[in-house]
Amino acid sequence: EADIYQTPRYLVIGTGKKITLECSQTMGHDKMYWYQQDPGMELHLIHYSYGVNSTEKGDLSSESTVSRIRTEHFPLTLESARPSHTSQYLCASSVDEEGYTGELFFGEGSRLTVL
Amino acid sequence: QQPVQSPQAVILREGEDAVINCSSSKALYSVHWYRQKHGEAPVFLMILLKGGEQKGHEKISASFNEKKQQSSLYLTASQLSYSGTYFCGTGGLQGAQKLVFGQGTRLTINP
Repeated sequence: EADIYQTPRYLVIGTGKKITLECSQTMGHDKMYWYQQDPGMELHLIHYSYGVNSTEKGDLSSESTVSRIRTEHFPLTLESARPSHTSQYLCASSVDEEGYTGELFFGEGSRLTVL
Repeated sequence: QQPVQSPQAVILREGEDAVINCSSSKALYSVHWYRQKHGEAPVFLMILLKGGEQKGHEKISASFNEKKQQSSLYLTASQLSYSGTYFCGTGGLQGAQKLVFGQGTRLTINP
């Protein structure tokens, strides 16, 4: 069983609100990721981190921001939510392999709806 | 660049075989395969590395053709539990820190 947790699982908010999606893992993985996925569609990488104080933007442009102050914690923040941000956000972490990305462990996701 | 998966969808009867393909226009160092059931998170199936090494948790076989920059996932004697959407994720050279996923292949297994 993977030990990676996301909260909240479901969130419905109004336009303009600030939200933070939490992601925590207890496996000691240095590498963590945020993917955005619409129902039945592909996974788009929006942020990733190699370790504490290291964050990079992914291939899909996103208005969200992330931080990595502790190894186990990788929160995602939207300063002002809009309906276009409605989606599922999946957090993942990976084993630190030499030269390649190891197995990804995914959290159960946070489904965000912005009205 | 996003890898391309084919077919987009497959419908099988229990016990039949299926092949799912993943192609990239860029040189590959690693290919991941994941299965996602409706409403759940993706689950790891296998990693294939340049040079032939494979790491996986299930009895599902796959191939990696480095020259053609392609990978194929083989599902034999399919079971109802195999239903779901299959994603390949590709990593290029130079460490492959970013894994880019294909658009997915939806597999439906009927009794």
